[in-house]
Amino acid sequence: DQQVKQNSPSLSVQEGRISILNCDYTNSMFDYFLWYKKYPAEGPTFLISISSIKDKNEDGRFTVFLNKSAKHLSLHIVPSQPGDSAVYFCAASEETGKSTFGDGTTLTVKP
Amino acid sequence: DAGITQSPRHKVTETGTPVTLRCHQTENHRYMYWYRQDPGHGLRLIHYSYGVKDTDKGEVSDGYSVSRSKTEDFLLTLESATSSQTSVYFCAIRQGGENGYTFGSGTRLTVV
Repeated sequence: DQQVKQNSPSLSVQEGRISILNCDYTNSMFDYFLWYKKYPAEGPTFLISISSIKDKNEDGRFTVFLNKSAKHLSLHIVPSQPGDSAVYFCAASEETGKSTFGDGTTLTVKP
Repeated sequence: DAGITQSPRHKVTETGTPVTLRCHQTENHRYMYWYRQDPGHGLRLIHYSYGVKDTDKGEVSDGYSVSRSKTEDFLLTLESATSSQTSVYFCAIRQGGENGYTFGSGTRLTVV
């Protein structure tokens, strides 16, 4: 059973609008939730994270929201830029540091 | 960049041959990880290490072994490569807590 799920394989938005990427998880023992961004032929790059004891974390244009009761998190990008076009992975980490990843959402931001 | 390099970047090998991929870090991090990425599957953990000579299995460890004889090097070995092991392999180091992983650039392995 997949512990971290990204149900939308792709998302397309217009430049300047909001992008919302979603992620669901099943394991209540995860202590951090993270988002990574990946361009083709490169390794994933850490973007933003949130502790399981918080419900919001913001870094510039990027905000992550955590709803523990629903076991759901989302990444908001405002405003979206063409350079944000990439694959976004949601991940959840345990105390050991092991992370479980979702399958990714491909974001396309159109000029 | 955090000083993590993978070698080789690309490799084509034949079914049944052993293959070793190398991950090298310059930052003295204790935790290192090997993941594989396949289309539609995200990243799946193969093995990880929490110190020299201390390793453990991940969710897709069958057919793989690892070694960590020095802090800076984490080797992944495919004992007898199969076509199902054709993938992109990523090594990562853990920055700690909320800081996530730093990944290497990946090794694209093709088993023919």
